[in-house]
Amino acid sequence: GAGVSQSPSNKVTEKGKDVELRCDPISGHTALYWYRQSLGQGLEFLIYFQGNSAPDKSGLPSDRFSAERTGGSVSTLTIQRTQQEDSAVYLCASSSRAHPTAFFGQGTRLTVV
Amino acid sequence: DQQVKQNSPSLSVQEGRISILNCDYTNSMFDYFLWYKKYPAEGPTFLISISSIKDKNEDGRFTVFLNKSAKHLSLHIVPSQPGDSAVYFCAALRGGNKLVFGAGTILRVKS
Repeated sequence: GAGVSQSPSNKVTEKGKDVELRCDPISGHTALYWYRQSLGQGLEFLIYFQGNSAPDKSGLPSDRFSAERTGGSVSTLTIQRTQQEDSAVYLCASSSRAHPTAFFGQGTRLTVV
Repeated sequence: DQQVKQNSPSLSVQEGRISILNCDYTNSMFDYFLWYKKYPAEGPTFLISISSIKDKNEDGRFTVFLNKSAKHLSLHIVPSQPGDSAVYFCAALRGGNKLVFGAGTILRVKS
């Protein structure tokens, strides 16, 4: 597709389980971002990739959160031992080196019960 | 360390009038600024941007103004329409670094 694609669109998981969220950026985009938005809150930065490396992972809230990007394309965000406070919409965005405008996917709504 | 601030959590405007959304930043190294609109249950949608070498950029009903000396950014929507009701985020970046967002402003346009 032409846009940023995220899967799944919705995920309900039990507390303590691990989850993986996937992001397919726009083809050719070198920069990839993960953000999350909790209910009633703004956009919280999690991690930023340039190619396969992550020069800024300062927003990851704990060591239960990790992300990787392979082949300069798909990225997965993994949350281990999920907690209820992890419930949020997780958003992925990508941008090209030539133009800094980032385009967002529709997000993954994660609910930890 | 909030580098990008939107101090008004919400704004209510009558249909047909001007909406002005404001944003302040602290990092003088930012060189590109963007506005996004977000509807519930959707990802943010890019609206308009401006480079630090300009002080104004216009696209239809939307105009972004940049005052570098005041480190202030504003989005004007004229005329406002009910479909403009959404959360508006301003964002800033310095080349090659991460995009930094403000907390957002909820705009309600009343018909």
